[in-house]
Amino acid sequence: EIVMTQSPATLSVSPGERVTLSCRARQSVSSSLAWYQQKAGQAPRLLIYGASTRATGIPARFSGSGSGTEFTLTISSLQSEDFAVYYCQPYNNWPYTFGQGTKLEMK
Amino acid sequence: QVQLRESGPGLVKPSQTLSLTCAVSGGSISSSGQYWSWFRQLPGKGLEWIGYIYYSGSTYYNPSLKSRVTMSVDTSNNQFSLKLTSVTAADTAVYYCARDYYYGIDFWGQGTTVTVSS
Repeated sequence: EIVMTQSPATLSVSPGERVTLSCRARQSVSSSLAWYQQKAGQAPRLLIYGASTRATGIPARFSGSGSGTEFTLTISSLQSEDFAVYYCQPYNNWPYTFGQGTKLEMK
Repeated sequence: QVQLRESGPGLVKPSQTLSLTCAVSGGSISSSGQYWSWFRQLPGKGLEWIGYIYYSGSTYYNPSLKSRVTMSVDTSNNQFSLKLTSVTAADTAVYYCARDYYYGIDFWGQGTTVTVSS
């Protein structure tokens, strides 16, 4: 299985800020990486797939980049509804694994 | 728009079998390329993939749970199911069913909480 490491674990930010979250794979996953947003009490929501393609209905302020083992998720201007936990997940191989998540909290 | 809904007991006794069903609407479970999956999230923790089942019945389970997991599919009723045997308190979690479709997990159920306790 592929081990994923996300950093930081928690990020204290203010609305309007630009935010960059990191995800690192122990081995290459090419561009087969997805990002999910999970709000408290809700199921995860697919944000990004193919490392950089926004899923249907995802606002343009979310962008993803990277390939191989290093990936980033950027939120260009944080909105109040973006405070959540974000997970990265490679989907090029089973068994699926997830990063441990990055929690965005209000400063 | 595909929708998924989990159902099953919210309380299971230790050593017994956890059984959940996921009803799929808004699309056919038999369409190709869709891997019907189960995930769980332990309290305050991250996401864990349990396994998938294809409409043909082929399965792949997480090696960490493989000895205790069985999945089945009922194409006539557009639903699929999970059984987890010999549960302990460590299996207490929110269980999600979801669709895995080429580029990630694009549709999720709302999740159902299962508590293992006597």
